[in-house]
Amino acid sequence: DSGVTQTPKHLITATGQRVTLRCSPRSGDLSVYWYQQSLDQGLQFLIQYYNGEERAKGNILERFSAQQFPDLHSELNLSSLELGDSALYFCASSVGWGASYNEQFFGPGTRLTVL
Amino acid sequence: AQSVAQPEDQVNVAEGNPLTVKCTYSVSGNPYLFWYVQYPNRGLQFLLKYITGDNLVKGSYGFEAEFNKSQTSFHLKKPSALVSDSALYFCAVRASNTGGFKTIFGAGTRLFVKA
Repeated sequence: DSGVTQTPKHLITATGQRVTLRCSPRSGDLSVYWYQQSLDQGLQFLIQYYNGEERAKGNILERFSAQQFPDLHSELNLSSLELGDSALYFCASSVGWGASYNEQFFGPGTRLTVL
Repeated sequence: AQSVAQPEDQVNVAEGNPLTVKCTYSVSGNPYLFWYVQYPNRGLQFLLKYITGDNLVKGSYGFEAEFNKSQTSFHLKKPSALVSDSALYFCAVRASNTGGFKTIFGAGTRLFVKA
């Protein structure tokens, strides 16, 4: 158990809908990262937050947004969902602001299915 | 461009034999390299990392990795494979990103260890 929690475990929804994925980092970790894992794209970095502020951005679509709250939990919002958004979404956390040498601890993921 | 390559989609090895999972990278500046493992229906777990110093890095579960700067490689190794090592292995490199750092993951190598 990494100490990172994600809810829900599974999510099934329809195209055009909006969903929110939630992540709680390990105790003491200030950085939160979001990743998308799909069969055709592999593991893609989406976005990183540190102590409530956006720190780095990857291949995140404009339909997607995220935030980190004062209690350090984070939410990833996916809107206008398309079939291609079906994937596993992972949250990870690390110590500090995400210095390049810090390893990340991953949650169990949320499996999103868009029908 | 910064990238990570895992040239083998799959590696098969017999239990008790040594295993190697290959990784090469391309980054500007000093690389910070990581190996993660993913078991079915689980998030990624950190195995080991190279920051600086000794080119041979030891990690969890008896795994080690050798950093080779001239060949820009960071191959994962284990002297004696176990059936329980069967999983998906990811090599990753931290690269600079505007305002922060992002992690670039390889496509993953599936390891099958046969009894």
